[in-house]
Amino acid sequence: QVQLQESGPGLVKPSQTLSLTCTVSGGSISSDGYYWSWIRQHPGKGLEWIGYIYYSGNAYYNPSLKSRVTISVDTSKNQFSLKLSSVTAADTAVYYCARDIHMVTTGIWFDPWGQGTLVTVSS
Amino acid sequence: DFQMTQSPSSLSASVGDTVTITCRARQSISSYLNWYQQKPGKVPKLLIYAASSLQSGVPSRFSGSGSGTDFTLTISSLQPEDFSTYYCQQSYSTPYTFGQGTKVEIK
Repeated sequence: QVQLQESGPGLVKPSQTLSLTCTVSGGSISSDGYYWSWIRQHPGKGLEWIGYIYYSGNAYYNPSLKSRVTISVDTSKNQFSLKLSSVTAADTAVYYCARDIHMVTTGIWFDPWGQGTLVTVSS
Repeated sequence: DFQMTQSPSSLSASVGDTVTITCRARQSISSYLNWYQQKPGKVPKLLIYAASSLQSGVPSRFSGSGSGTDFTLTISSLQPEDFSTYYCQQSYSTPYTFGQGTKVEIK
């Protein structure tokens, strides 16, 4: 059973870069047909998809964050990572990693999700 | 972006009730619509994918329907563990977007 776990600093200063890693266990990040996403949730708010990456390194980002986001993959470690630059208080959120299941005829859904990690942007 | 609008934003119901939550897209998204349940402080859990397919392990009292622009999540015979927030999510087009959520509370 695939499990995901986020790791990284819980506190980041304004203007700095937020860096998180998601470690995948119980399965290979290089499995065909699976993409790997980052999703965030502002405190008490809804869900915002940040972007995804394929094991080949092909990534796609939400245009609303594209200028500040980089998602990368390390297949040797079965991990993928998120970097969000020039953070402000508005980037304070719980950040989740998730596996995307991509089916041509039925769409894309997220399952499973990591436990989530709260990142606070504050000086 | 494909904006998804859920209604109601919240509702109160009793154990045993049947509850219906609606998700509407501004333009057709075919059946590329998923539903998630999130309990307070917990991780979102996939309930329904492709509008009407029940995720493995999810109780059969949950069902989804709809296509095009209008979708519904129905919970039959509401159980105590179903009091949560529910989100729809479209995958018709990137960026993938979620509805604002519907909180189901105990009456």
